[in-house]
Amino acid sequence: GEDVEQSLFLSVREGDSSVINCTYTDSSSTYLYWYKQEPGAGLQLLTYIFSNMDMKQDQRLTVLLNKKDKHLSLRIADTQTGDSAIYFCAERAGGYNKLIFGAGTRLAVHP
Amino acid sequence: GAGVSQSPSNKVTEKGKDVELRCDPISGHTALYWYRQSLGQGLEFLIYFQGNSAPDKSGLPSDRFSAERTGGSVSTLTIQRTQQEDSAVYLCASSSAGTGVDEQFFGPGTRLTVL
Repeated sequence: GEDVEQSLFLSVREGDSSVINCTYTDSSSTYLYWYKQEPGAGLQLLTYIFSNMDMKQDQRLTVLLNKKDKHLSLRIADTQTGDSAIYFCAERAGGYNKLIFGAGTRLAVHP
Repeated sequence: GAGVSQSPSNKVTEKGKDVELRCDPISGHTALYWYRQSLGQGLEFLIYFQGNSAPDKSGLPSDRFSAERTGGSVSTLTIQRTQQEDSAVYLCASSSAGTGVDEQFFGPGTRLTVL
């Protein structure tokens, strides 16, 4: 079956790195995504990784993919207060366009 | 250019009433999706439209839920005989449905409260 799991809450100090973890079950997933939802705003695509990649870096963001363990992580370097939001992990199963989302991780950044 | 828009932004209704939620996708996007976000839960896929193909209704939770997409553009999600457990934020997204990453662009959502 399809299931995406992630921890619900993470609190970090401003300037530290944040690591948000996600596990998924569908080994045929082609793309895995991280979406960001800020208070009162819609979801926006933050970054993504194709299933044949192990790592993707984009400025302060690093995505790591372990296909063997079906584990995805998002690292945010030098976390800022503006990074406070809910981060959703999502998988796109092979042959489908719909996304399967996790419950979201609420990131709280404190001084 | 305009993004995905949804209306109304908030809807309060009484149990047993029918509601219609509207989504205007990004112009030119052939794919349209409906998701539901319940408190403390992730986004739950409801239905997916792609061009003229039959929609993927596999996520609709019951036969009280239906959706249509007219002229390949605007979509309406209808919930009949609403129940309190239908209270959630209903999100619409659209994409160009191309190969590759196929980013989905989300609307702001409609918050539905069933009393």
